[in-house]
Amino acid sequence: DGGITQSPKYLFRKEGQNVTLSCEQNLNHDAMYWYRQDPGQGLRLIYYSQIVNDFQKGDIAEGYSVSREKKESFPLTVTSAQKNPTAFYLCASAPRFSTDTQYFGPGTRLTVL
Amino acid sequence: SQQGEEDPQALSIQEGENATMNCSYKTSINNLQWYRQNSGRGLVHLILIRSNEREKHSGRLRVTLDTSKKSSSLLITASRAADTASYFCATYHEVQGAQKLVFGQGTRLTINP
Repeated sequence: DGGITQSPKYLFRKEGQNVTLSCEQNLNHDAMYWYRQDPGQGLRLIYYSQIVNDFQKGDIAEGYSVSREKKESFPLTVTSAQKNPTAFYLCASAPRFSTDTQYFGPGTRLTVL
Repeated sequence: SQQGEEDPQALSIQEGENATMNCSYKTSINNLQWYRQNSGRGLVHLILIRSNEREKHSGRLRVTLDTSKKSSSLLITASRAADTASYFCATYHEVQGAQKLVFGQGTRLTINP
C-alpha cells in the first residue's frame, strides 16, 4: 500500500521544547517538502529536499530544521527558536524536484501549551 | 508574495448545483494545479493543466486556463455533500533558481443538502 505517512496526528509541545515530526514515503520519490498551514490560509514552504542527503530552506525556515539521511524519510524538528509554532504541518513528496504533482501526507497538528 | 489567488474565499451552494472557483496568478507558468483539502486533512491532487492547454476534464471537474489573463477556473458540476472542502490552486514559481509550488489561500466550498 503506497503512500506518504505522517506521525503523530496531534502533538502538544511545551514552551522551550524541541519536537520532531515524522514523514515517511514509500513512493520512491526523490523530492520531499514540508509546509506550514495556518487557519484559513494557504501553505507556506518550510524546507525542501531534492534528493537524499540534500535539503534547502524554503520561505519560512527560521526555527525549523530537517534531515534527509534516507530517501523515504524527511523528519522536521520544530525548535524552541520558532516563536509561533502552533499550526498544521504537511509533508509532501514528488517523483522529481521539478514541476511535478506533489502528494501530501495527512498532516500533523502541533499545539504549543 | 502569493502567486495564486482564489476567488471567492468562500462559496455556499445547494447540492446538485454547479460550483465555480477562480484563480489568478502573476507570472508565466508551466502548469497550474488544483488541490482539494477536507477539513483537518492533507491535500489531494485533483487536476493539472499545462500552459498549452485551454481546458481539461476529469469526471465532474472541468478546469480552464487563460494564460493571456493569467487565470484559471475550476467548475464542479452536480455538486454533492462530499465535495465540501477547501480548494487550492497552485503554480510553480522560480525563486533563487529553484521551482517552488506556491499556493493561494483557497476557496472554502460548502454544499448544503
